[in-house]
Amino acid sequence: GNSVTQMEGPVTLSEEAFLTINCTYTATGYPSLFWYVQYPGEGLQLLLKATKADDKGSNKGFEATYRKETTSFHLEKGSVQVSDSAVYFCALLSGGSNYKLTFGKGTLLTVNP
Amino acid sequence: DTGVSQNPRHKITKRGQNVTFRCDPISEHNRLYWYRQTLGQGPEFLTYFQNEAQLEKSRLLSDRFSAERPKGSFSTLEIQRTEQGDSAMYLCASSPGALGETQYFGPGTRLLVL
Repeated sequence: GNSVTQMEGPVTLSEEAFLTINCTYTATGYPSLFWYVQYPGEGLQLLLKATKADDKGSNKGFEATYRKETTSFHLEKGSVQVSDSAVYFCALLSGGSNYKLTFGKGTLLTVNP
Repeated sequence: DTGVSQNPRHKITKRGQNVTFRCDPISEHNRLYWYRQTLGQGPEFLTYFQNEAQLEKSRLLSDRFSAERPKGSFSTLEIQRTEQGDSAMYLCASSPGALGETQYFGPGTRLLVL
C-alpha cells in the first residue's frame, strides 16, 4: 500500500536558518506529491506540489523536488521566518486510489526570533 | 472563492450522544472528502463523494458513522453513539472535476467526547 515517512519532529530553528524536512514515500504507479502546512488552530493549506519525476514545486520561498530514484520529496527553505512556525505534512495521491491523500505524521517546526 | 467552510468548529459531547458536522465545499467543486486527524498524526481518509454519490468509504468509518451529500452541495457527517475514541479533528476537503487534483481543506471540526 501507499505510505509516507516524514522526519520526526519537533524541529526548532532560529530565524534566517536553513530548513530541510525529509519525506520519503512508497507508492504504486506514479504518485503526485504534496506538502501541506497547518498553522495553529487552522486547517491544512496546500504549500506546494509536484506531479511527475524531477518536477520542482515552489511557493513562499519553500521548494521540493520530486526524486523518483530515491522516492523522496524533501522540503527546503533557505531562510525561515517566525511566521513559518507550523506543522508540515507530506502527502501523496497515487494509482487507483488517486482520490485519497496519504499523509505523513507531520513535522512541527518552531522558528525563534 | 470563499473556501471550504465547516461547522461547528468545536464540539464537546458526552459519550453515547449523536453529533452531526457540516461541510460547505468551494462552489463548483464536484468532489468532497472527509478525513479524520488524531493528535500527533496526519489526516486519514474516511470517505469521498462525487456530486451526491458516495463512492468510497474507509474501514475507519464504522457503522456508527454516516455521511451524506444531498444534491451534491454541502455534506454532513453524523456519528451516532459517540465513543471517547471518536475524539479527533474532522476535516473536509473539496476538489474540482478531475481525480488527482489538489484538495482544498476547511478549518476542521474538533470533537471532544467526554
